[in-house]
Amino acid sequence: NAGVTQTPKFQVLKTGQSMTLQCAQDMNHEYMSWYRQDPGMGLRLIHYSVGAGITDQGEVPNGYNVSRSTTEDFPLRLLSAAPSQTSVYFCASSTPLTPNYGYTFGSGTRLTVV
Amino acid sequence: EDQVTQSPEALRLQEGESSSLNCSYTVSGLRGLFWYRQDPGKGPEFLFTLYSAGEEKEKERLKATLTKKESFLHITAPKPEDSATYLCAVQAMRAGNQFYFGTGTSLTVIP
Repeated sequence: NAGVTQTPKFQVLKTGQSMTLQCAQDMNHEYMSWYRQDPGMGLRLIHYSVGAGITDQGEVPNGYNVSRSTTEDFPLRLLSAAPSQTSVYFCASSTPLTPNYGYTFGSGTRLTVV
Repeated sequence: EDQVTQSPEALRLQEGESSSLNCSYTVSGLRGLFWYRQDPGKGPEFLFTLYSAGEEKEKERLKATLTKKESFLHITAPKPEDSATYLCAVQAMRAGNQFYFGTGTSLTVIP
């Protein structure tokens, strides 16, 4: 079982460049989310999806876009990278059908914007 | 506003020295409180879910408890392999199944 797979693991971008962080899960989970983790700030929600075709904004959505065309994939797009977007990005999935409702997290993408 | 505060920020224990981590929260209708473990360079790993005050969950040397205002993660006779950052998160009774995380407690267990 692969769980939640994120690619790439590391990325360096120049200010103004765009890119897509990939996230795929093979657990047939309905819910998927993107978080960023910064020192002293904890995990902050960027965007989330409760099912294919449905997305919504989280706490810090500016500068990011998402789409959910399939249950398995939930890519995060950085439109025009800024140094403030330097962070570690985590994708997570969950389902209300399991008793614990816990997230399964990917291993993260460490992004540096220079 | 939903808020999660964890203390202490960092904790150093001798192997075998028991202690507790605190997670205090304010949320408009608690659906659940979650504990995760995060090792350096990895994503958080789910540990426990607690749903109502008075509930307790145990896993090896860890025991999580919940009151109406806070949760404790008790670590009994810790080992060096328990060294990690422990994250607390709350899920509010709102649409979207979303979680709000604390900043974590970094635990170091010294042999």
